[in-house]
Amino acid sequence: NIVLTQSPATLSVTPGESVSLSCRASQSISTSIHWYQQKSNESPRLLIKYASQSISGIPSRFSGSGSGTDFTLSINRVESEDFSIYYCQQSYSSLYTFGSGTKLEIK
Amino acid sequence: QVQLQQSGAELAKPGSSVKISCKASGYTFTSYDISWIKQTTGQGLEYIGYINTGSGGTYYNEKFKGKATLTVDKSSSTAFMQLSSLTPEDTAVYYCARDQLGWFAYWGQGTLVTVSS
Repeated sequence: NIVLTQSPATLSVTPGESVSLSCRASQSISTSIHWYQQKSNESPRLLIKYASQSISGIPSRFSGSGSGTDFTLSINRVESEDFSIYYCQQSYSSLYTFGSGTKLEIK
Repeated sequence: QVQLQQSGAELAKPGSSVKISCKASGYTFTSYDISWIKQTTGQGLEYIGYINTGSGGTYYNEKFKGKATLTVDKSSSTAFMQLSSLTPEDTAVYYCARDQLGWFAYWGQGTLVTVSS
């Protein structure tokens, strides 16, 4: 199975700061990584597909980068509604796997 | 608009089975596979498998073979997941999601399954 390791587990920031969240794969997965946001008691919401492709309706402050084993989700100037948990997910193998998540919290 | 409406919360006894439904609307049901995902506090998000809504063909994560059974009713645009021989470790929120070749833009609202005697 492809293991996705997200870091940090928790990130404490002040609104207006810009942040980068990391997702590392246990083997090369090209750009087959997707990012989701999950707020408390809600379903995950797709933010970015295939490492860097934007999704309609998602604010432009969210962007993704990376290929191979190292991927980054960037949030430019965090807003109050962004405090939630972020997950990466790979579709390189038939057995999709998710990272354990990064919780973005208010400092 | 695309919607996936899941059935309500279930309280089940150990050893029993439950069947969760996921009714799709707003698109051609047989154009996309439906995947199922388990979420627990301890294990995070786990991929269970998917069903091809046109052919009924399935793929299962080895971990869930014998535990989950995926079926579909094309006439009602509904996908189902049956969980059998329930144990407390099956207590979780289960999501269906429209599988768009590996990524999930549309999710159901989740179904909480609680296994307790």
